[in-house]
Amino acid sequence: DSGVTQTPKHLITATGQRVTLRCSPRSGDLSVYWYQQSLDQGLQFLIQYYNGEERAKGNILERFSAQQFPDLHSELNLSSLELGDSALYFCASSVAGRSRTEAFFGQGTRLTVV
Amino acid sequence: AQTVTQSQPEMSVQEAETVTLSCTYDTSESDYYLFWYKQPPSRQMILVIRQEAYKQQNATENRFSVNFQKAAKSFSLKISDSQLGDAAMYFCAYREIQGAQKLVFGQGTRLTINP
Repeated sequence: DSGVTQTPKHLITATGQRVTLRCSPRSGDLSVYWYQQSLDQGLQFLIQYYNGEERAKGNILERFSAQQFPDLHSELNLSSLELGDSALYFCASSVAGRSRTEAFFGQGTRLTVV
Repeated sequence: AQTVTQSQPEMSVQEAETVTLSCTYDTSESDYYLFWYKQPPSRQMILVIRQEAYKQQNATENRFSVNFQKAAKSFSLKISDSQLGDAAMYFCAYREIQGAQKLVFGQGTRLTINP
């Protein structure tokens, strides 16, 4: 158990809909990262939050947004969903501001858009 | 931008044998972190081993060891005495020290263990 909790584990929704994925980082970790794993794109960095503030953006679509709340949990919002958004979405957390440690991953949310 | 390349989409090895997975990366930084993650069928991302770029000594974790060649920007993973539970996708990853400190992943190598 990595200590990072993601909910839900599985999500099936229709095109055009909006979903919210939730992530609770390990206790004490201020940094939260979101990654998308699809068959053709591999693992892609989407966005990072640090102590409630957006720190960096990667290959995140404009239809996607995220936030980190005062209790440090984070949510990834995906809207106007398309078939191509079907993927495994991972959240990872790490110790505040220190890159000399590994990032711990949650078990992921499997999103299927039909 | 940093890139990570895993040139072996699939590898297989006999149980109890040794296998080496290749990884190369590109960066202009002198200090960074490298990782190997394992992703079994459960899809969980599990850290296997990590290497700090400023350390010349190759990291070792039980049956797992790396061959880190900084000048060549190469970071291979050697698995000794392969076990059936080692079957998984293996991802090489680079983590920057500055900036977002995000992980940049290779495309992965699927490792099959033959009994």
